[in-house]
Amino acid sequence: SQQGEEDPQALSIQEGENATMNCSYKTSINNLQWYRQNSGRGLVHLILIRSNEREKHSGRLRVTLDTSKKSSSLLITASRAADTASYFCATARTYSGATNKLIFGTGTLLAVQP
Amino acid sequence: GAVVSQHPSRVICKSGTSVKIECRSLDFQATTMFWYRQFPKQSLMLMATSNEGSKATYEQGVEKDKFLINHASLTLSTLTVTSAHPEDSSFYICSAGGSRRSSYNEQFFGPGTRLTVL
Repeated sequence: SQQGEEDPQALSIQEGENATMNCSYKTSINNLQWYRQNSGRGLVHLILIRSNEREKHSGRLRVTLDTSKKSSSLLITASRAADTASYFCATARTYSGATNKLIFGTGTLLAVQP
Repeated sequence: GAVVSQHPSRVICKSGTSVKIECRSLDFQATTMFWYRQFPKQSLMLMATSNEGSKATYEQGVEKDKFLINHASLTLSTLTVTSAHPEDSSFYICSAGGSRRSSYNEQFFGPGTRLTVL
């Protein structure tokens, strides 16, 4: 399977703490994206990091990418109860020179306790 | 971001019937649409990729005769689950791409359709 793996599978923290999720993948990529999914809902795009970038920030999110190790991490700082959700990484490879094909990781279920 | 809708949001059907799910890009023309399936507490698995006006490309292990995909226009793709069985019960999510809004051809996801086959 081409699917990436994420760890931990589940993470429970207190509000205000930081949450770190890791993603490993298997193939070469154009970019890596992180998504959030609330229970039973669609996906929300969080952040995209290109293969030639090593770190990117967006608000309370920090993403790193190490293409030599084929891994990425997502850090959520000062977590809030509303951050409770499943988080997925997705690697993108060019499909027919057009829209990237996404392969999703296994996901991390984050629970932030108030 | 761009808006993608799915209809219906949830459907319950009897075993052996066919179910059609629609995916629409509401404010942009999507040259490519993707269909994913997600079982409870699992990740999204890509089922197929469809380009407007051409046949869909299915991922390994996905039966093309069971999951019929039609991408008839730049704003509409449909997934028909034929002769549905209880094991087809899942959360089906579409995404649309090819928008010129993003240089990296970001995909915009629909809200998903919950299919339950009795």
